[in-house]
Amino acid sequence: KQEVTQIPAALSVPEGENLVLNCSFTDSAIYNLQWFRQDPGKGLTSLLLIQSSQREQTSGRLNASLDKSSGRSTLYIAASQPGDSATYLCAVLSGNQFYFGTGTSLTVIP
Amino acid sequence: GAGVSQTPSNKVTEKGKYVELRCDPISGHTALYWYRQSLGQGPEFLIYFQGTGAADDSGLPNDRFFAVRPEGSVSTLKIQRTERGDSAVYLCASQALVDTGELFFGEGSRLTVL
Repeated sequence: KQEVTQIPAALSVPEGENLVLNCSFTDSAIYNLQWFRQDPGKGLTSLLLIQSSQREQTSGRLNASLDKSSGRSTLYIAASQPGDSATYLCAVLSGNQFYFGTGTSLTVIP
Repeated sequence: GAGVSQTPSNKVTEKGKYVELRCDPISGHTALYWYRQSLGQGPEFLIYFQGTGAADDSGLPNDRFFAVRPEGSVSTLKIQRTERGDSAVYLCASQALVDTGELFFGEGSRLTVL
C-alpha cells in the first residue's frame, strides 16, 4: 500500500525567507503528484500538479520537483509571505486513489 | 458549476441517525472522489466514481456507508446509524481526466455526531 510522508510536520519562518517542504512516497508506480494548500476549516486548494513523466512544475513563487525513482518531491516557496501560512499537503495518484500525507503546517512570521 | 460544491457545509446529528451529504462536481468531470479528514490528518480515501459506477469503494469503512452517483454528475454519500466516530470533514473532489487530471476539492461537509 502506498504511504506518503511529509517532513517537517510544522515549520515557522520569518517573512521573506525561502523554504522547502518535503514529501516522500513508498511506491514509485504513480500517475502524478499534486501539491495542495489547506487553510483552517477550508477545503484543499490545488497548487501544482506534476505528471509522472515530468521533473518539475512552477507557478509564481512556487516550484515543485519530482524524483519518481527515489520516491521524493519537494515544494520550494520563494520569498515567503504571511499569506502563505497554511497547511501544505502532497498527494500521489496510485491505482484508483490519491494518497495523502498528513501535511506540513507553515507559519510565516511578519 | 465553477467549482465543486458540497452541501451541507455543517451537519450536526444524533447518534443512530441517518445523514446524506451531497457533492456537485465541476461540470464535465467524469471522476469523482469522496475523502474523509479528521483533525490534524490528511484526507483518507472512501470511494471513487468513474461516471455513474463506483470504480473503487475499498475505502468505505463498513456497510453503514454508501454512495451513489446515478446520473454521472451529482453524488450523495449516505451514512446510516451514525456513530460518534463518524464525526469528521467529508471532502468531495472531481477530476476531468482520469490518471492525468488535476484534482479539485470542495469546501467539505463537517459532520458532528453527538
